[in-house]
Amino acid sequence: SSELTQDPAVSVALGQTVTITCQGDILTFCPATWYQQKPRQAPLLLLYGGTNRPSGIPHRFSQSRSGTTASLTITGTLDEDEADYHCGCRDRDGNVFFAGGTKLTVL
Amino acid sequence: RLQESGPGLLRPSETLSLTCSVSGVSVTDDTRHWGWVRQSPGKGLEWLGTIYHRGGAFYNPSLKSRLLISVDSSKNRFSLQLRSVAAADTAMYFCSTHAVGMITGGGDVFTYFDNWGQGALVTVSS
Repeated sequence: SSELTQDPAVSVALGQTVTITCQGDILTFCPATWYQQKPRQAPLLLLYGGTNRPSGIPHRFSQSRSGTTASLTITGTLDEDEADYHCGCRDRDGNVFFAGGTKLTVL
Repeated sequence: RLQESGPGLLRPSETLSLTCSVSGVSVTDDTRHWGWVRQSPGKGLEWLGTIYHRGGAFYNPSLKSRLLISVDSSKNRFSLQLRSVAAADTAMYFCSTHAVGMITGGGDVFTYFDNWGQGALVTVSS
C-alpha cells in the first residue's frame, strides 16, 4: 500500500521537544518530506531528502527515518510552531502521496 | 512567485480551469517541474499532477481520466483543467514548483514542493 498515515493531533508544552510520526510502506524507499501549514496559508517546505532544510528553516526542526516510519522532531518548541504538519513521499511509479496531517498544539 | 487564478464557484458537471502565473523564473526552465495540489476543507493534501520540464505530465491515478495539466510558455504560466466536477472537488487548489531528488549513495528518490502559490478556493455547488 502507498498510503501514509499520521496521528491527527499532538500537543507539546512550550519549550519541550515533540516528535510527529508518519507511517507507510513507501517510506522504506522514499525519504519523507515535511511541510508546515498555518491557518489560511499555503504549506511551507520544512525538510526533505533526509537532511535538507530550505534556507530560513530553523535548526530546531529535524527528521529521522526507520523502516516504515518517518519522524519530524521539534526541539525547544515555540508558540509559532503551532500548525499542521504534513508528510509526503512518492511511490516507485512516481505518484505522490501525503498523509492526513498532524495538528500540533503548543500548551 | 506563483499565483493561482480561476473561478471560485462551479456547478456540478462543469469543467474547472485554473491558471498558475509564474514570475521570476521561466516555465521552460529545464531544472523545474510544475505541480498542482489540493486540500479539501479540513482535510490533508492531495497531489493532483505534475508537468515536467520536458513537457510530459504525470497525474494522480484517481483523477487521471478527468485531469489535464499544460504549460503556456508565451504567458509564462501553467494550467489545470478538471472535467465533470462534483461536490467532492470542492477544495483549495495550490500550484507549486515540484522537484525530485536522489539520496547520494543510496539511490532513494525523494520529492518535494518548494514554492507554493497562496491557493485558489474552488466550490462546487448546485
